[in-house]
Amino acid sequence: DAGVIQSPRHEVTEMGQEVTLRCKPISGHDYLFWYRQTMMRGLELLIYFNNNVPIDDSGMPEDRFSAKMPNASFSTLKIQPSEPRDSAVYFCASSFTGTGGNEQFFGPGTRLTVL
Amino acid sequence: GQNIDQPTEMTATEGAIVQINCTYQTSGFNGLFWYQQHAGEAPTFLSYNVLDGLEEKGRFSSFLSRSKGYSYLLLKELQMKDSASYLCAAWTGNMLTFGGGTRLMVKP
Repeated sequence: DAGVIQSPRHEVTEMGQEVTLRCKPISGHDYLFWYRQTMMRGLELLIYFNNNVPIDDSGMPEDRFSAKMPNASFSTLKIQPSEPRDSAVYFCASSFTGTGGNEQFFGPGTRLTVL
Repeated sequence: GQNIDQPTEMTATEGAIVQINCTYQTSGFNGLFWYQQHAGEAPTFLSYNVLDGLEEKGRFSSFLSRSKGYSYLLLKELQMKDSASYLCAAWTGNMLTFGGGTRLMVKP
């Protein structure tokens, strides 16, 4: 398996623009997680899905952020409009069953810079 | 709320042993994960503890005390490639809550 795939790997955009980050989880995994990592705040969980259904989005910072999972092999995280403080590395991770003892596999991340 | 603490930075010498501590205060605790993250890369799984005690995996070992809310990661025979950040994460419900990470620098 190719592992968790994220695109793009790098994104530079201007304030106010819409940004869409994409993730393909490992085939067969039923949990998908979106994280954001910054030097100041570390690794933060934004939202997670189980069987394509959003379970907990309490980590989503504002209404400018939205996430979807239309099928088991694809998810998007959208920021509209983007702001400079959204600059961070965004990781997608997937796991099987999501219960204790099942590790999360992380994608390579998308480094977002908002100017 | 969830609170996970670990030292920000540590330095150790190649060939030595280093212990990275993690304390946590969480509700609905199920277990404790350790992840390794090299600069510019994604976190990768190292270990998982659900029961009290020591889990050994090669040069790396992880310990958990649920009653004390305490875990540590032990790295033996340090190598230069072990220079990385080590993230402690508490498993609660179906979520991982990460600590801020400990950046380990291994010197010759």
